[in-house]
Amino acid sequence: DAGITQSPRHKVTETGTPVTLRCHQTENHRYMYWYRQDPGHGLRLIHYSYGVKDTDKGEVSDGYSVSRSKTEDFLLTLESATSSQTSVYFCAMKDSYSGNTIYFGEGSWLTVV
Amino acid sequence: GNSVTQMEGPVTLSEEAFLTINCTYTATGYPSLFWYVQYPGEGLQLLLKATKADDKGSNKGFEATYRKETTSFHLEKGSVQVSDSAVYFCALSEGGGADGLTFGKGTHLIIQP
Repeated sequence: DAGITQSPRHKVTETGTPVTLRCHQTENHRYMYWYRQDPGHGLRLIHYSYGVKDTDKGEVSDGYSVSRSKTEDFLLTLESATSSQTSVYFCAMKDSYSGNTIYFGEGSWLTVV
Repeated sequence: GNSVTQMEGPVTLSEEAFLTINCTYTATGYPSLFWYVQYPGEGLQLLLKATKADDKGSNKGFEATYRKETTSFHLEKGSVQVSDSAVYFCALSEGGGADGLTFGKGTHLIIQP
């Protein structure tokens, strides 16, 4: 197992409410990522982090924010959830010691009603 | 920018058939190439990878060769099984630093008994 977990795994929330998804890794890797997966779009990068308190935007960052206060935790927040943010969210980490391979968490299924 | 193109499917084959899923890429540098597999309701698992031209990645009977001259990384398997039914993603990474993965849209593979 690659040592990366996400919580919650499934969540239903109402439009306009804030939602936070958590990603936790036990490998001490520097680089972490949040992707969303939607039919017809594959996986798209939302935000990424290159260290504690160092984050940057990906291609679909509008409506999302992230925080990384510790190496092991990378949080994704939907500031005010909308139905268009109904998706499957995947966290990932890069193993820079193993050919820069990126490993994924199990996914968080989010439904905004 | 970088991009990955793969057939989206669904691709339907009979058990024991030969499988090819085409993947071509556009990149500015010398990327590493990956195939990930996603089984229903699960996250993405690394299937195989290749980090330089002419490298062959292999795992679980699947193979792919990094062809720089044709910018391709086609996935092959000699005899597929029902358990290979999944979505397969081709992806590239420029390598070091915070660069994440650029994904194709995924190929849905269905293997019939």
